[in-house]
Amino acid sequence: NAGVMQNPRHLVRRRGQEARLRCSPMKGHSHVYWYRQLPEEGLKFMVYLQKENIIDESGMPKERFSAEFPKEGPSILRIQQVVRGDSAAYFCASSGTDNQPQHFGDGTRLSIL
Amino acid sequence: QKEVEQNSGPLSVPEGAIASLNCTYSDRGSQSFFWYRQYSGKSPELIMFIYSNGDKEDGRFTAQLNKASQYVSLLIRDSQPSDSATYLCAPRNTPLVFGKGTRLSVIA
Repeated sequence: NAGVMQNPRHLVRRRGQEARLRCSPMKGHSHVYWYRQLPEEGLKFMVYLQKENIIDESGMPKERFSAEFPKEGPSILRIQQVVRGDSAAYFCASSGTDNQPQHFGDGTRLSIL
Repeated sequence: QKEVEQNSGPLSVPEGAIASLNCTYSDRGSQSFFWYRQYSGKSPELIMFIYSNGDKEDGRFTAQLNKASQYVSLLIRDSQPSDSATYLCAPRNTPLVFGKGTRLSVIA
């Protein structure tokens, strides 16, 4: 499957735990974007990364959230000390350059108990 | 801040009719647009890309861009129940700024 791969598809965490969401971009793509979609809400940009660099993190909450895209391996979105309000679908997208269409993964549904 | 406005709907059309979805934007510098379709519980899927004034046709879909009036629209001809989804428009920027989307319901 040459598409954007996200895992896990579903993640359940208790309040205060850490959540790690992974994203492998489409083959040949080096630009990765993370979006969050709250129930019945639109897609909101969180962060844009290229290999080893954060290009734009203007949509990331200032605390508890971090993202990385290492030289080797998938991009990781990390949420520390999760709260109920973090429950959402988190989508990763990738593109070949910054202005090419973005292709989305199937998302990770995060549920906080 | 660059903003995109869409009527959230739901927009209900009978099967076989033309569905018209509209999107207005605030940034006059936006030159081209993407249309994405998102089925309930699924991820967004790119369906159209328009980069110049006028119309672009792809099968049953026609995207229209009017830069002077700052709106972009998507027409779906011969609507099918399988077209029932939320349609999102976004200017071709990085990062993408989506409208809330218009929920389309095609009634059989």
